[in-house]
This record gives sequence, C-alpha cells and structure tokens, in this order.
Amino acid sequence: GAGVSQTPSNKVTEKGKYVELRCDPISGHTALYWYRQSLGQGPEFLIYFQGTGAADDSGLPNDRFFAVRPEGSVSTLKIQRTERGDSAVYLCASSLTGQGGGGYTFGSGTRLTVV
Amino acid sequence: TQLLKQSPQFLSIQEGENLTVYCNSSSVFSSLQWYRQEPGEGPVLLVTVVTGGEVKKLKRLTFQFGDARKDSSLHITAAQTGDTGLYLCAGADNYGQNFVFGPGTRLSVLP
Repeated sequence: GAGVSQTPSNKVTEKGKYVELRCDPISGHTALYWYRQSLGQGPEFLIYFQGTGAADDSGLPNDRFFAVRPEGSVSTLKIQRTERGDSAVYLCASSLTGQGGGGYTFGSGTRLTVV
Repeated sequence: TQLLKQSPQFLSIQEGENLTVYCNSSSVFSSLQWYRQEPGEGPVLLVTVVTGGEVKKLKRLTFQFGDARKDSSLHITAAQTGDTGLYLCAGADNYGQNFVFGPGTRLSVLP
C-alpha cells in the first residue's frame, strides 16, 4: 500500500483479555518497528524486525508481549493478560532497509484502552 | 541506554514569531532525526542529520546537529498556525538501526 496501515484504529478491552494489533507496512520495506506511545510522551521502542526475524526485541516490557512477522510483511503484536498500564497508542513503522538513514514511515497507530 | 531530553516541553507563540527547540543527550548518535506529530497521527519525518555540525534547511525550518553529535536544534522562522504539533527528535544507535525518541516539544502557534 501507499502507507503503513494499522488495524484496528481503536481497541477497548477488559483487563486480563488477549489482544492482537496488526500492522501492514509499505510494500517492499524490509524493516518493521513497533513503538508504544503514552500520553504526553515520545514513542518508546518495543521491537524491530528485519525480514521475518526479530533483530531486536529488547524493548518488549515483559513476556506478556510478543510480536510476529511470519512472511516478512504483515506483523502482529500480541498482548496477553492485558493490564490497565498497557493502555497507550501502539505505533508501527517501516523502513526500506532498516539502516535508519531514510527515516521511518509511521502508521496512525492503534489506541489501546484496557478497562 | 541513550536518553534524549527536549526543551522546552511546551511552547506557545503568536503567528509570525521565531522559535528554537532543543534536543540534548549525553550520548553520541550516529544520526539524528526530527519528526512532527499531529493528534491521532503517527510522527512524520522532517529531516535526518548525520554529520557533526551539519545544518539543513527545509523552507522555514533550520536543523542543526551539534559538533559532538550529542545535541540538535530546530529553528522555525515566522511560525504559522500549521506548524502546531509535537516535535520529536530521535537518535540512532551505533548501528543506525534503532532510534530512541525524546519526549517531544509541544508547539502551539496562535493566530
């Protein structure tokens, strides 16, 4: 597609439930990033994929968070046993090569609210 | 951990005024980027600076990367209401593959 697409745009879930957030990167972009942005803060790095593999998952806060990118294109961020503190905007970005020089193209994000 | 600080946190000015916002760190970055983010949208890349001392201009916006590659500034000349938004700086680690974002400067340009 022309840009990075994230679905759903909004998700409200109950504490303890499981959620999946989807990211469709720009076609041909090998690098894909997930960030989390809380109100009034800058984006916080979660995980970076180069192709199908997670090149850096050091930003995942705990083992309730997991992300996959099985075919090197679409990625899904999965959160188990959601907690109220997980409420944030989850941003996905893609980059042509992952070397950073060209910058990221971000999606509009998924606003997750855990009640 | 490479931490970025941005100042001021909030800035409200009248249309036509000039302003400068700052991005500082104790770490050296291989490159640094500036983004602008509007409510409900993802950040949009404005510029990437790579060389210490580099200055880049984008219409009314002037970006400078510090000589030591630890800090950067963004200067806006004759601000317009359309410049309103959250300005984020992001520094790349040594491999240039992962960017760490600052908390942002929220700019409001009033008519």
